[in-house]
Amino acid sequence: SQQGEEDPQALSIQEGENATMNCSYKTSINNLQWYRQNSGRGLVHLILIRSNEREKHSGRLRVTLDTSKKSSSLLITASRAADTASYFCAPYNNNDMRFGAGTRLTVKP
Amino acid sequence: GAVVSQHPSWVICKSGTSVKIECRSLDFQATTMFWYRQFPKQSLMLMATSNEGSKATYEQGVEKDKFLINHASLTLSTLTVTSAHPEDSSFYICSALGDRYGYTFGSGTRLTVV
Repeated sequence: SQQGEEDPQALSIQEGENATMNCSYKTSINNLQWYRQNSGRGLVHLILIRSNEREKHSGRLRVTLDTSKKSSSLLITASRAADTASYFCAPYNNNDMRFGAGTRLTVKP
Repeated sequence: GAVVSQHPSWVICKSGTSVKIECRSLDFQATTMFWYRQFPKQSLMLMATSNEGSKATYEQGVEKDKFLINHASLTLSTLTVTSAHPEDSSFYICSALGDRYGYTFGSGTRLTVV
């Protein structure tokens, strides 16, 4: 299966600090996507990085992808209390996309 | 952008009854829709993949007779939880795959079986 595994499982930081979450996967991918989920709610698509890309930015988000290590990282800079949520990576290949356990980020004001 | 409407957003039902959850792509056609289940503080687990006009593909361990999936049109897929039991209480999320927008998720349905 194309499941991602996030690390750490939980992360607690102060507002203004940067948050880094990592994702590892096992097989080849077409792309890798990061999602955010506020407690008990639907998923919000954050960013997609293709297998031939190494880095991508979107606002305060920075995603890297290392296909040789089968890993990706999500960096949220200058975090805000509103960034508190669970973050999931989803490796994607041939219509197969599954989620890891996620990283629960808490940003303290 | 693409929007997926999922209804109901929450439902409480009695044990033994059936519940139908709808997933509708509002402004695009989705040949493939996905159904996920999420238990508290856990990840989303893929239950099944449905393609328009054909039978759904269920993941290992998911009972196809219990979780009936119908994908009758390019914009609508339904998940029916039959003879629901308290252990079926969970958060169910659908996702629709469109050519232009990729994956778009519904807002989820919280099912509570009492």
